[in-house]
Amino acid sequence: GDSVTQMEGPVTLSEEAFLTINCTYTATGYPSLFWYVQYPGEGLQLLLKATKADDKGSNKGFEATYRKETTSFHLEKGSVQVSDSAVYFCALIHTGGFKTIFGAGTRLFVKA
Amino acid sequence: GAGVSQSPSNKVTEKGKDVELRCDPISGHTALYWYRQSLGQGLEFLIYFQGNSAPDKSGLPSDRFSAERTGGSVSTLTIQRTQQEDSAVYLCASSPWGDEQYFGPGTRLTVT
Repeated sequence: GDSVTQMEGPVTLSEEAFLTINCTYTATGYPSLFWYVQYPGEGLQLLLKATKADDKGSNKGFEATYRKETTSFHLEKGSVQVSDSAVYFCALIHTGGFKTIFGAGTRLFVKA
Repeated sequence: GAGVSQSPSNKVTEKGKDVELRCDPISGHTALYWYRQSLGQGLEFLIYFQGNSAPDKSGLPSDRFSAERTGGSVSTLTIQRTQQEDSAVYLCASSPWGDEQYFGPGTRLTVT
């Protein structure tokens, strides 16, 4: 069946460091891929998405590229801030489908 | 506009009791999802509604779990004869087209 695998956390970085959170997936066909973020004490919210191969999703300085050849959707940010501290979830859904598969989440701590 | 709301925000119940969790989706969203998030775990898909219909109930953990949606709007997740392993945060999300999801703040269920 479909699955999403994320790098285990927690990830601890200093402010202004470069961030990469790895996400790989297993799925038939061409799913849409998402990154959701959960800030402390808040609900999940969509961070970015990509719906087809080679698409790049971007938002708030974060970006991720849909790589079909490597079945990956790694999240990157060039310079993290303390306010980026949160849990990040990678997810997939099939076009026209409904069942969404989430990764286990990666907790990010950013130190001032 | 109003987002997804869930009630109660916290629920403490004794083992063996029944509980009802409520979700009010964003107005006009036809798709509605329920997930369970256990401590330190990712999101576990429970059930999906398109309108009032649930095409796939296979994600429900056991026959103690049921869900309904009326009027294409409010949904209720019912857990009968609660067990300690049911303790988790139950998240509801809605979507206008079954793709990008908007999450509620969740209901934290504690079974003592």
